[in-house]
Amino acid sequence: ILNVEQSPQSLHVQEGDSTNFTCSFPSSNFYALHWYRWETAKSPEALFVMTLNGDEKKKGRISATLNTKEGYSYLYIKGSQPEDSATYLCALNSNSGYALNFGKGTSLLVTP
Amino acid sequence: ETGVTQTPRHLVMGMTNKKSLKCEQHLGHNAMYWYKQSAKKPLELMFVYSLEERVENNSVPSRFSPECPNSSHLFLHLHTLQPEDSALYLCASSQEVRGRSIQYFGPGTRLLVL
Repeated sequence: ILNVEQSPQSLHVQEGDSTNFTCSFPSSNFYALHWYRWETAKSPEALFVMTLNGDEKKKGRISATLNTKEGYSYLYIKGSQPEDSATYLCALNSNSGYALNFGKGTSLLVTP
Repeated sequence: ETGVTQTPRHLVMGMTNKKSLKCEQHLGHNAMYWYKQSAKKPLELMFVYSLEERVENNSVPSRFSPECPNSSHLFLHLHTLQPEDSALYLCASSQEVRGRSIQYFGPGTRLLVL
């Protein structure tokens, strides 16, 4: 089991604020890093799969970067909206197996 | 809708009961997964199936028994569970089993063991 750390554990921002959170992971044997968004009472939904050092991906107001050498990824949300309220999970896959090792997530609350 | 369905959505069972969780994917994927989410813990992988063959078993107690009769269906058979097995059980599928495939999750089964 690989140790994937996410910070902060929770975040409360006002509508319109931009925010970011961090996923840290062991850099050895890196294969892929996933970001998922999990709204309450719904299924986790994939945001990005990142594989290359320096990768930057964007989906609407959400973007992510990846640094595999130092073992971290950032997720950014620009101009947060109440509908962005969810738990954001990152998950690491290494060369040594099929498993996705998930962090505990960052719980984001955006209030109007 | 993610294309992955799970039944039942909620289940209460006693420690001596036998029950099964069902997962079905309508995406034509080749890999299926069972995950467990306990309170204040990250999602934990339980089992991985690729082309109906189990390829990973994450040291799960034998009171959990998976079954994959075809690439669209996955079951988790439960027997003599303990109260600490109460959790949300999520099923997922992906095009292939390697770690760069996006996983599509079902809505989960909320299990309470009394």
